[in-house]
Amino acid sequence: EILMTQSPDTLSVSPGERATLSCRAGQSLSNNLAWYQQKPGQAPRLLIYQTSTRAPGIPAKFSGSGSGTDFTLTISGLQSEDFAVYYCQQYNKWPITFGQGTRLDFK
Amino acid sequence: QLQLQESGPGLVKPSETLSLTCTVAGGSINTDKFYWDWIRQPPGKGLEWVGSIYYDGSTYHNSSLKSRVTISVDTSKNQLSLKLTSVTAADTGVYYCATHGAYDVVWGSSPDWGQGTRVTVSS
Repeated sequence: EILMTQSPDTLSVSPGERATLSCRAGQSLSNNLAWYQQKPGQAPRLLIYQTSTRAPGIPAKFSGSGSGTDFTLTISGLQSEDFAVYYCQQYNKWPITFGQGTRLDFK
Repeated sequence: QLQLQESGPGLVKPSETLSLTCTVAGGSINTDKFYWDWIRQPPGKGLEWVGSIYYDGSTYHNSSLKSRVTISVDTSKNQLSLKLTSVTAADTGVYYCATHGAYDVVWGSSPDWGQGTRVTVSS
């Protein structure tokens, strides 16, 4: 099983600023990594797949990068609707695994 | 555009079997584009993959649940189902129906996850 570790657990950022969220995999993923956003009481929403490809309808303020075992989700120009929990997910090997999540909070 | 909707009992007694259904609308479940997934989320916690099934019948399960999980597809009803036997309080949470692309180019047409169905295991 590939262990996925996100950091930090909680990130406090001011509106308008940029947030950088990290995800580290226990082994190389060949770029088979996705990012999801989850708001309270809602299902997760796909933001990024294949490390850096935005899902349809996702604004350009969300960008993904990385390779091998280290991946980053960057959110620029933070607005109130961006404060949520973010999860990374690897789908390179079975079983599919998720990171524990990073909570993005108002500073 | 595909849409997913979970359904099932909100309350299950310990040691009994949890049965959930996911109805797929807007397209066929019998497609090679996607794996059909069950993912759950205990109260206040993160996401846990339960298992997946592919159109050719291949199934994949979380090893911590493997012996208790059955995932199947009914193509005549366009439904995905999950059965989890011998449930305990640790199986309480929201269960989501979702997909993930079987190959890169189809991810862009992935449907949104279902809204989730809340399951409580309690006597």
